[in-house]
Amino acid sequence: EDQVTQSPEALRLQEGESSSLNCSYTVSGLRGLFWYRQDPGKGPEFLFTLYSAGEEKEKERLKATLTKKESFLHITAPKPEDSATYLCAVENQGGKLIFGQGTELSVKP
Amino acid sequence: GAVVSQHPSWVICKSGTSVKIECRSLDFQATTMFWYRQFPKQSLMLMATSNEGSKATYEQGVEKDKFLINHASLTLSTLTVTSAHPEDSSFYICSALPALRGEQYFGPGTRLTVT
Repeated sequence: EDQVTQSPEALRLQEGESSSLNCSYTVSGLRGLFWYRQDPGKGPEFLFTLYSAGEEKEKERLKATLTKKESFLHITAPKPEDSATYLCAVENQGGKLIFGQGTELSVKP
Repeated sequence: GAVVSQHPSWVICKSGTSVKIECRSLDFQATTMFWYRQFPKQSLMLMATSNEGSKATYEQGVEKDKFLINHASLTLSTLTVTSAHPEDSSFYICSALPALRGEQYFGPGTRLTVT
């Protein structure tokens, strides 16, 4: 069964305190791994797509990496505006996205 | 680019009535659109996949006669919740898949409350 598990469920950081979010997955034929950001009451906002192990993508303070079993979203020197829920999803061979439960990130000034 | 809109953003309806939610891709054409449901503090669950000009494909456990999906054009898909009940109250989110690109772009969501 295709499955995505994110950890931790919630993460509280001080502004400037770097950390990483984890996304572990099992999927029948990975077509892509996606990171999204979701603010309360809003739809997910696309961040990154990773397709193969070893691939890395960066955008401002965020960097996503991928191995054969997991992905990490590294947040460097976060700011309060980075507070949101970060969702990881994998696309299976059927073209469907399977989402993890998300990590709720809170960055305090 | 890749903007998806939903209308309405929130709706309150009485039990037994029907509600229609629109999903539009504003600056691209989408042969495939998806409908998700999200309960509080939970992740997105795929309800159905909608392809332009053909019948939607529903996920297991989703009643196709209750959640009617129409994808009449390359920029518009609609979800109609028929005979809504309080347990249908949820956050409904659509996404659209641009041609030649791998990532889905999501709408802002519609908060449905059934009283």
